[in-house]
Amino acid sequence: EADIYQTPRYLVIGTGKKITLECSQTMGHDKMYWYQQDPGMELHLIHYSYGVNSTEKGDLSSESTVSRIRTEHFPLTLESARPSHTSQYLCASSERGAYSPLHFGNGTRLTVT
Amino acid sequence: AQKVTQAQTEISVVEKEDVTLDCVYETRDTTYYLFWYKQPPSGELVFLIRRNSFDEQNEISGRYSWNFQKSTSSFNFTITASQVVDSAVYFCALSEAGAGGTSYGKLTFGQGTILTVHP
Repeated sequence: EADIYQTPRYLVIGTGKKITLECSQTMGHDKMYWYQQDPGMELHLIHYSYGVNSTEKGDLSSESTVSRIRTEHFPLTLESARPSHTSQYLCASSERGAYSPLHFGNGTRLTVT
Repeated sequence: AQKVTQAQTEISVVEKEDVTLDCVYETRDTTYYLFWYKQPPSGELVFLIRRNSFDEQNEISGRYSWNFQKSTSSFNFTITASQVVDSAVYFCALSEAGAGGTSYGKLTFGQGTILTVHP
């Protein structure tokens, strides 16, 4: 059973606000990921990290930023939310490299009005 | 670049029917990994199975079975005697090992298939 937690579960916020989506895992995994899921279901990698103090941008360009100060914590921040940021954001972690399955959190459904 | 295609956007079946979800992939790597995930209405993606590129053995787990064929670059998923609880979105995904096996485990997902099982 994976132990990865995302908060908040749902967030409705006005345009221009700064928001931080939280993601924590208790498994000691080095690798963590943020995926953005469209209403049309497709999942796109927007950020990943392979350890403390390392972050990389994913395949889909995003205005969000991430940080990895502690192994267990991988928050995502939007400095100024816009309606185009409305989406579901899924955090995941994995133990090793390409062959390790990802363990996902429940996601944060963000709506920007 | 790697790519995963799930041509079936939605499938609707009646309980106890068998259903197969198709997945076709593209990759230039000789070493890669294929996955299936289930996303129930709660939103969390649940890992179902992993296959590596050197293992073409089909696998059966209860009502689930997977057919991996490198010759056609396909990794299809069959649910036998479907149940209402199988209703979910199913994703096929690919991870490349990369040069020297240095991949960071980035998954490329297919578009997903919505499966609805009616009572």
